[in-house]
Amino acid sequence: DAGVIQSPRHEVTEMGQEVTLRCKPISGHDYLFWYRQTMMRGLELLIYFNNNVPIDDSGMPEDRFSAKMPNASFSTLKIQPSEPRDSAVYFCASSLRLAGGSEQFFGPGTRLTVL
Amino acid sequence: QKEVEQDPGPLSVPEGAIVSLNCTYSNSAFQYFMWYRQYSRKGPELLMYTYSSGNKEDGRFTAQVDKSSKYISLFIRDSQPSDSATYLCAMSAGDDKIIFGKGTRLHILP
Repeated sequence: DAGVIQSPRHEVTEMGQEVTLRCKPISGHDYLFWYRQTMMRGLELLIYFNNNVPIDDSGMPEDRFSAKMPNASFSTLKIQPSEPRDSAVYFCASSLRLAGGSEQFFGPGTRLTVL
Repeated sequence: QKEVEQDPGPLSVPEGAIVSLNCTYSNSAFQYFMWYRQYSRKGPELLMYTYSSGNKEDGRFTAQVDKSSKYISLFIRDSQPSDSATYLCAMSAGDDKIIFGKGTRLHILP
């Protein structure tokens, strides 16, 4: 398996524009996670899905953020409109289970810069 | 008080030294304790996994958990420049999501 795949790897956009980040989890993994990482706040969980259903979105910072998982092999994280404070590295991760601290496999991340 | 506290560093040590990385936590329900390693411009990868209290050793790496003190440690023996990375502690109560520390940036000086 190729691991978790994310695209794009880098995104530079202007304030107010819509940004869509994409993720393909490892085949067979039931859980998919979206994280945001900054120097100040570390790795923050935004939302996670179980079998394509959103389970916990309490980490989504505000209504400008939305995430979907239309099928087991694809998820998107959308920011509309984007703001400079959204600049961060966004990671997608997947795992077989949630319980027992099941290992999460991370993608390479998308480095987002909002000007 | 945050659930998981971790000194962000950076921590710089000479090659060959023993490195000690630590985290404290507040949730006594945590039972599963992990260390993830993250190289620059990469995603985190699981390095060590421990259930409940005690020690676990894997090569040059040793993970320790002291549940009575709510304190976990990662020791790296004979540190190498290739160990330079950010180390994130992580923990879980079992049937819940993993909570990550902020990570400690480690630099091993040749």
